[in-house]
Amino acid sequence: DAGVIQSPRHEVTEMGQEVTLRCKPISGHDYLFWYRQTMMRGLELLIYFNNNVPIDDSGMPEDRFSAKMPNASFSTLKIQPSEPRDSAVYFCASSSGTGGMKTQYFGPGTRLLVL
Amino acid sequence: GENVEQHPSTLSVQEGDSAVIKCTYSDSASNYFPWYKQELGKRPQLIIDIRSNVGEKKDQRIAVTLNKTAKHFSLHITETQPEDSAVYFCAASNPGANNLFFGTGTRLTVIP
Repeated sequence: DAGVIQSPRHEVTEMGQEVTLRCKPISGHDYLFWYRQTMMRGLELLIYFNNNVPIDDSGMPEDRFSAKMPNASFSTLKIQPSEPRDSAVYFCASSSGTGGMKTQYFGPGTRLLVL
Repeated sequence: GENVEQHPSTLSVQEGDSAVIKCTYSDSASNYFPWYKQELGKRPQLIIDIRSNVGEKKDQRIAVTLNKTAKHFSLHITETQPEDSAVYFCAASNPGANNLFFGTGTRLTVIP
């Protein structure tokens, strides 16, 4: 089985540019999570979806960040405009089932550097 | 909401020694506690998990214990090897939540 797929794996951009990160969850999983990881703040949950519907976006740092899930097999995280402090590794994860006992499977991450 | 605290933040052990990482949680309703291992430059990967109806679970050299009364759980790695060097994250979840609440991570270094 293919795991969670993310693209691009690395992204270098200049401040002010738009950045779009992509994720394909494991087939059949109904939950999708976006995380940001930095040395200073650790692993932060940004937003998660259930059946393509955003459930909790309280972790989204500001209006420059937006996420969509147009169908069960694709999600995007967009940053517009990007800033140097957005530099981080962004992980997408997916899981299935209801209740709290769900294993999350992480993608390989996108390493973003904003100059 | 749930708050998960993890200690220590860094841990160095000699190869062959044991390593213990501890986490506490705040929500007594939490009932699922996974542990993730993240090697340098890689994704977090589940290594073991425990549910609240079990006090201990073991898988080869790793084990997890859960104390529901005290609201803490621990990861034990025995006979450590250099390949155990990584960042380890604990997490907690409860029936009312659909996401995991992660600890801040422990960087384990196994010295050959």
